[in-house]
Amino acid sequence: GDSVTQMEGPVTLSEEAFLTINCTYTATGYPSLFWYVQYPGEGLQLLLKATKADDKGSNKGFEATYRKETTSFHLEKGSVQVSDSAVYFCALTPFTGRRALTFGSGTRLQVQP
Amino acid sequence: DVKVTQSSRYLVKRTGEKVFLECVQDMDHENMFWYRQDPGLGLRLIYFSYDVKMKEKGDIPEGYSVSREKKERFSLILESASTNQTSMYLCASGWDEKLFFGSGTQLSVL
Repeated sequence: GDSVTQMEGPVTLSEEAFLTINCTYTATGYPSLFWYVQYPGEGLQLLLKATKADDKGSNKGFEATYRKETTSFHLEKGSVQVSDSAVYFCALTPFTGRRALTFGSGTRLQVQP
Repeated sequence: DVKVTQSSRYLVKRTGEKVFLECVQDMDHENMFWYRQDPGLGLRLIYFSYDVKMKEKGDIPEGYSVSREKKERFSLILESASTNQTSMYLCASGWDEKLFFGSGTQLSVL
């Protein structure tokens, strides 16, 4: 079945550092890809999405590019802030079949001042 | 704002009890979902529903059932709670970029 693999955390960075969180997926066809973020004590919220190969999703300074050839959707940010400390989840929905999100295991990001 | 409301933030139950987790959404969404969130495992789909009185099993339905008598309400039922069902339970409503999550219910089964 479909699956999403994320790099294990926690990822600890200093403020203004460059962030990469790796995400790869296994799915047939062309799934839609998402990054969700969960801030401490809050529910999950959509950060960005991409629906086809080579699409780039972006929001709040975060970016991720849908790479069909490497089945990847890595999350990047050029300069992280303390307020970016959260858990980040990569997820997909299939092109056909069950219409529900499949999530990765999540990556905790800690940004130190 | 869309709201997905889960009835309890924290819940403590005993092994063998029947447990009801309630979720209500106010945006007339057809799709609703129940996930559980565990450290290192991410979110795993328990059940979902595309319409009233309709339900489908997710990846880990064993030990759970659901009820959707009205469009806005989707209930998760633990028929006989066990300690391995201690977890954070998240309800979601909507679809695609319009998928909204509740703030979760942390269930502890003792």
